[in-house]
Amino acid sequence: DAGVTQSPTHLIKTRGQQVTLRCSPKSGHDTVSWYQQALGQGPQFIFQYYEEEERQRGNFPDRFSGHQFPNYSSELNVNALLLGDSALYLCASSPEGKATDTQYFGPGTRLTVL
Amino acid sequence: GDSVTQMEGPVTLSEEAFLTINCTYTATGYPSLFWYVQYPGEGLQLLLKATKADDKGSNKGFEATYRKETTSFHLEKGSVQVSDSAVYFCALSVNRGSTLGRLYFGRGTQLTVWP
Repeated sequence: DAGVTQSPTHLIKTRGQQVTLRCSPKSGHDTVSWYQQALGQGPQFIFQYYEEEERQRGNFPDRFSGHQFPNYSSELNVNALLLGDSALYLCASSPEGKATDTQYFGPGTRLTVL
Repeated sequence: GDSVTQMEGPVTLSEEAFLTINCTYTATGYPSLFWYVQYPGEGLQLLLKATKADDKGSNKGFEATYRKETTSFHLEKGSVQVSDSAVYFCALSVNRGSTLGRLYFGRGTQLTVWP
């Protein structure tokens, strides 16, 4: 059983560009959350998707947007990239009703903005 | 608001030494508490959890007890190994509609164990 997978592993962009990161949840999971982990910091919650809708959102600007597909996979989009967007982006999945119990994290996408 | 304060590192120990990493929390309601571990170049792995007061979570020799009276969830291990070298994150989640499933993390503690 594959766990949470993310692509790409690494990404380098320049300021002002746009980026799309992808996540496939663990089998049987329908809720996907995204986190940003800056260097030397703990992960910060960006948003959560369930039933193809954004269910809740952290303190991130509208430049950060997402999508969930019918197969529960998800994308994170960031527009107008800033240097400060450089971070490890983590996707986590959980089965509905178990979100506060256990979340499974993917290996992350390392985004570098130059 | 909901938050976690975690002992700052780095922590450097010799193999077989005793480990304690302190974690305290602030939360509205009754949080679930977690310790996650991040090995170099990898994502987060759940190490242990506790969902109510006085529960003890344990895994791989690590333990943490949910202390409501001191709002703490300190991580301990009696004898660390070189393979335990990683970054450890304390986290909480509150079962409240507006934040269901949102994890609040501490800043992480880097542990290095020398042979």
